Amino acid sequence: EDQVTQSPEALRLQEGESSSLNCSYTVSGLRGLFWYRQDPGKGPEFLFTLYSAGEEKEKERLKATLTKKESFLHITAPKPEDSATYLCAVQAYRGSTLGRLYFGRGTQLTVWP
Amino acid sequence: SAVISQKPSRDICQRGTSLTIQCQVDSQVTMMFWYRQQPGQSLTLIATANQGSEATYESGFVIDKFPISRPNLTFSTLTVSNMSPEDSSIYLCSVDLPANTGELFFGEGSRLTVL
Repeated sequence: EDQVTQSPEALRLQEGESSSLNCSYTVSGLRGLFWYRQDPGKGPEFLFTLYSAGEEKEKERLKATLTKKESFLHITAPKPEDSATYLCAVQAYRGSTLGRLYFGRGTQLTVWP
Repeated sequence: SAVISQKPSRDICQRGTSLTIQCQVDSQVTMMFWYRQQPGQSLTLIATANQGSEATYESGFVIDKFPISRPNLTFSTLTVSNMSPEDSSIYLCSVDLPANTGELFFGEGSRLTVL
């Protein structure tokens, strides 16, 4: 079965202290790896899709990268407003159709001033 | 993009009762997805709702427990039937726009507490 493991479960950073979140996955026939951000009391918000190893995507202070086994979400000089839970998900091909998204449990990021 | 409205946002329910959650989307979509998010657990797909056909349920979820309606291209309901405390969770409605991209838009969720 497709699996997604995120680490660490929780991360506390001081404002400006850069770091990375990890998403390890096992899937047969990867179609895409997705990153979402979820604020307390809200639904997840889509951030990035990565399709192939070596691909990178950037948005403001966030950069997502992908290898054949894992993805990293790099946060450069984070601010308190970056505090949220970051979710990773994978989707595989299932024959001629697309499978469901499998989500990890998330990394809860807290950035303090 | 899509704006998704869910009702209720939260509710406290008694064991053995049923509750229906409504999901309204501001654009027409082929598929709507219902997820469950339990504390400390990953977001789990319950079922996919297609307009004009039976919903497709994931392993571990059955229609008798989670009946779904999809009367048109902008609306769906999920009922949680005969609730027990184990059903206490956040239930989320979502759509993917553009279709089949995996780029999901979510409602804000319905937080159910079963006593």
